[in-house]
This record gives sequence, C-alpha cells and structure tokens, in this order.
Amino acid sequence: DIVMTQSPDSLAVSLGERATINCKSSQSVLYTSNNKNYLAWYQQKPGQPPKLLISWASARESGVPDRFSGSGSGTDFTLTISSLQAEDVAVYYCQQYYDTLKTFGPGTKVDIK
Amino acid sequence: DVQLVESGGGLVQPGGSLRLSCVASGFTFSSYWLSWVRQAPGKGLEWVANIKDDATVTSYVDSVRGRFTISRDNAKNLLYLQMNSLRAEDTAVYYCASSIAVSGVEYQFDSWGQGTLVTVSS
Repeated sequence: DIVMTQSPDSLAVSLGERATINCKSSQSVLYTSNNKNYLAWYQQKPGQPPKLLISWASARESGVPDRFSGSGSGTDFTLTISSLQAEDVAVYYCQQYYDTLKTFGPGTKVDIK
Repeated sequence: DVQLVESGGGLVQPGGSLRLSCVASGFTFSSYWLSWVRQAPGKGLEWVANIKDDATVTSYVDSVRGRFTISRDNAKNLLYLQMNSLRAEDTAVYYCASSIAVSGVEYQFDSWGQGTLVTVSS
C-alpha cells in the first residue's frame, strides 16, 4: 500500500497570511505515460463531509477560491493557502488515487492565530 | 445537483451485522465508480472499499476484507455495504463517495454524502 504522510499535524496562521501543508507519498504517484500525478487535496470542516479542492496535484476544482493552490510531483506535494480566511479553518487531507487501494494522509488542522 | 445520501447506520453489538445504503441522484450513476470511506470519531479518513461502475470489480482495505461486501444496483441508483463480524474498531462515520474512471483507472472522489454513523459496542 502507498503510505501518505503530512506535515505539520496542525498549524495556526494569522488572517491574511500564508499557510503551507506538505504531503509525501511512500512511492511515486506520477504516471509517466500521461505525466499526471494521481494526488488530490480535500478540505473537511467540522461536522461536514470532505470537499474536493484539488485534483491531479494542482488542478483546482470549479468554485474553489484561487487562494488555494497545489504543487509538487512524484512523492512530494504542497497545498498552499495564499491568504488565510476565517472560512478556511478546517482539516486538510491529501489522497493518492494512483493505486487501486486508495490512501489518505493523516490530515493537517489549520486554525487562526 | 449531485446528491449521495447514506442510511442504515446505528448501534450494533460486536460480532453483529449491519447493511449500509447510499442512494444517488443528479448524475449518471452507472458511469461512476463508488467507494465507502470511513472516519472514526476524532480521527482521519480511511478508504474502505470500492466498486467498478459495472460492478465487475471490487477492492477492500485489508482490515475489512472478508468481513465487508460492497455491492451496487445500477437500476435503483443504490450502493450498499454489508458489514459482518463487526468490531469496536469499525465504529465510524461511513461516507459514500463517487469518482469517475478512465480506462479502468479510478480518479479522485468528486462527490461525498453526509455520512452515517456506525457504533459497535456492547
């Protein structure tokens, strides 16, 4: 199975400041045949189901604010919130869909400082 | 709008069984792969099982293989999870989630239900 790790476990950022979350996979999730990274990011607010933010490591879903961006390739990925807003308080998960057995990272909790 | 609505959760004793259902609307159900993803209280997300659009292929996480069975009824837009030999560690909110697939490769989970709580306790 592909093991996903995230860092930090939690972070507190001032409103308007940048938040950066890292995700690492135990093996590459880059399909060389199409040069796509099979990596997604989800946002989960308390009491709600997860919401897809980014797929293919960097493709923002329709309706997701452009302050959210994803980057990285192979085994190392980053989710960046360029200017944190109050409504961004949530837990963020990365997930690989390279393998038949899907796996999530443990999550990173983002709070306001 | 895409909608996934789970039901069937509840309190069950260790060793017992439960069947979860997920009814879908707002999309072409038979064209999507479907998964169950669970979340133990205060914990992260864990993918449990998935099923191909035509129900010919299923996969499971090791911890439930042999105890849980995922199935679907494309005529009724329904997804199921039959859970047997339940353990305390199966206690979680169970979400159904949909994903497209191309050439047999399943992609990201683009829609999620609200979840149904399963509690395994005596």
